[in-house]
Amino acid sequence: AQSVTQLDSQVPVFEEAPVELRCNYSSSVSVYLFWYVQYPNQGLQLLLKYLSGSTLVKGINGFEAEFNKSQTSFHLRKPSVHISDTAEYFCAVSEGSGGYQKVTFGTGTKLQVIP
Amino acid sequence: DTGVSQDPRHKITKRGQNVTFRCDPISEHNRLYWYRQTLGQGPEFLTYFQNEAQLEKSRLLSDRFSAERPKGSFSTLEIQRTEQGDSAMYLCASSLERGRGLHEQFFGPGTRLTVL
Repeated sequence: AQSVTQLDSQVPVFEEAPVELRCNYSSSVSVYLFWYVQYPNQGLQLLLKYLSGSTLVKGINGFEAEFNKSQTSFHLRKPSVHISDTAEYFCAVSEGSGGYQKVTFGTGTKLQVIP
Repeated sequence: DTGVSQDPRHKITKRGQNVTFRCDPISEHNRLYWYRQTLGQGPEFLTYFQNEAQLEKSRLLSDRFSAERPKGSFSTLEIQRTEQGDSAMYLCASSLERGRGLHEQFFGPGTRLTVL
């Protein structure tokens, strides 16, 4: 069974500082990996996804993530955060291809950008 | 707006009442999903439809929950005899299935249910 662990429930960071949000997953098969962002009282917006190929994935709003198969990690990074990045971030994993691709989400990391 | 829409955005009800939520997916999407998100947790899968057929239901979906997608377009999620534990954000997502490969899910804004 697939699972996702986001160890940090909250990450405070000063504006313009770099940030890394950690995500580890477990799965017995090949996976697709995602990061979603959720602003207060809103649905989820896809930041980026890893399907195959290059392990460094670039997404929207200046975010990027690196897939590390040996460490089963998919950490999210941004070199310089902005106040508007304050939100909750969810890592997710999906197994399989074709049929229903069950998506399992982590518990989320709240990013608080301090002015 | 061509995204996924959900109605209502907020619902407050008393314990024991029935509630119904609606989801309108992106128009050409043939798959529709329902998730539940409680405070401090990520979304948890409830059920999904391929066109009008409900193909999978989570164990989280008790007998009090029922979902329909009668014409393969919009979907409704009904909760009967609501309990305080049903308080959560209910998220709808849709995707376009084209065979093998990733089918990205697009999420709606959610319906926040509060059961008093």
